[in-house]
Amino acid sequence: GQNIDQPTEMTATEGAIVQINCTYQTSGFNGLFWYQQHAGEAPTFLSYNVLDGLEEKGRFSSFLSRSKGYSYLLLKELQMKDSASYLCAVRVPISSGSARQLTFGSGTQLTVLP
Amino acid sequence: DTEVTQTPKHLVMGMTNKKSLKCEQHMGHRAMYWYKQKAKKPPELMFVYSYEKLSINESVPSRFSPECPNSSLLNLHLHALQPEDSALYLCASSQVLSRSSYNEQFFGPGTRLTVL
Repeated sequence: GQNIDQPTEMTATEGAIVQINCTYQTSGFNGLFWYQQHAGEAPTFLSYNVLDGLEEKGRFSSFLSRSKGYSYLLLKELQMKDSASYLCAVRVPISSGSARQLTFGSGTQLTVLP
Repeated sequence: DTEVTQTPKHLVMGMTNKKSLKCEQHMGHRAMYWYKQKAKKPPELMFVYSYEKLSINESVPSRFSPECPNSSLLNLHLHALQPEDSALYLCASSQVLSRSSYNEQFFGPGTRLTVL
């Protein structure tokens, strides 16, 4: 089976740094994605990790440790518009074809306060 | 063109109606996906098409019937739905995995479906 855990909610202050953790136990691993989703909108891609280490992209960084089944998304210089749900998703291989399936965590609702 | 489009944006239907959701992408992606998302929940995978062939059906009831008429289009035909099927239906597409590509999934804006 697939199990992906994230905190349900987090709150932080504008200008601060927040780290959203994700742990996973999946049958296979072909990469971990972070998506941002504002209420009523589609998820938008933030980052991707397939090798251990830190990937930095502007105010957002994502870290992966495959041996620990652990990732985090780091958001710096928080802005009000960063208030959204952050979804951790693991790509797992499927038996047929060569498309890969994404299994999503339940999402972390981040609220940025002024 | 890096966009996935979905129509309609909103749909209200009765339990005896037949309707279809449409999804289109022109990024050359050969994998397309249907997800269902309830409020405050993550997207749940319903179907995956790879090279226009159905490769995953996540035990979805037969009142949902997917169709992939060509590599750019994905439809979801709806018939005899229940009120609990009301949700946001998201379409996504991705490249099929290659060594140099991490084939992120690009999501459409979704169709907000209400079943009365």
